[in-house]
Amino acid sequence: EPEVTQTPSHQVTQMGQEVILRCVPISNHLYFYWYRQILGQKVEFLVSFYNNEISEKSEIFDDQFSVERPDGSNFTLKIRSTKLEDSAMYFCASNARPPRTATTEAFFGQGTRLTVV
Amino acid sequence: GDSVTQMEGPVTLSEEAFLTINCTYTATGYPSLFWYVQYPGEGLQLLLKATKADDKGSNKGFEATYRKETTSFHLEKGSVQVSDSAVYFCALSGGSGNQFYFGTGTSLTVIP
Repeated sequence: EPEVTQTPSHQVTQMGQEVILRCVPISNHLYFYWYRQILGQKVEFLVSFYNNEISEKSEIFDDQFSVERPDGSNFTLKIRSTKLEDSAMYFCASNARPPRTATTEAFFGQGTRLTVV
Repeated sequence: GDSVTQMEGPVTLSEEAFLTINCTYTATGYPSLFWYVQYPGEGLQLLLKATKADDKGSNKGFEATYRKETTSFHLEKGSVQVSDSAVYFCALSGGSGNQFYFGTGTSLTVIP
């Protein structure tokens, strides 16, 4: 069964360092997302990506964040200068069709736990 | 904006007990509703979904009915098993935006 894969599963980084979280979406999917979950809180939307550009982003997704699809298979989230409050579980997801299309669901990866120290 | 409110956890049940996890939503338009499950060490997996009012989603003995009049999508299972221990997330999409809106998650532990 196709699945979304994320690497690494756990990353520890020092405050101020840059991190890149990697995702390989399902191969025929066209819509990609990043979500995060701070421990004990809701899963929050960060950004959606379609046709090689950001289609929607939340207030959380500020200038410290960027996304890229560098090679047609990977989908990355970069945090330029990490802060303590960036510590969270980050989930990548992909859809075959736009979310407003009936019956569609997103397929999620297993998450990357980012710890900023 | 769109949002999902989910029953707080954690929930601990004995095997074969009845499970209900409450979920209510606020949305414009006609969202689809979902329950995702996260087993220990794994990602979010779709458990079931419903795309319009009065639809019932079901999978692995779990059920949820899309109730527009009460804006609810409560998850139920008649007889839980130890293997059902996981975190359950209620979610919606297709309302006012293109993203998924999640509840806080409810941790379920089933003891033998």
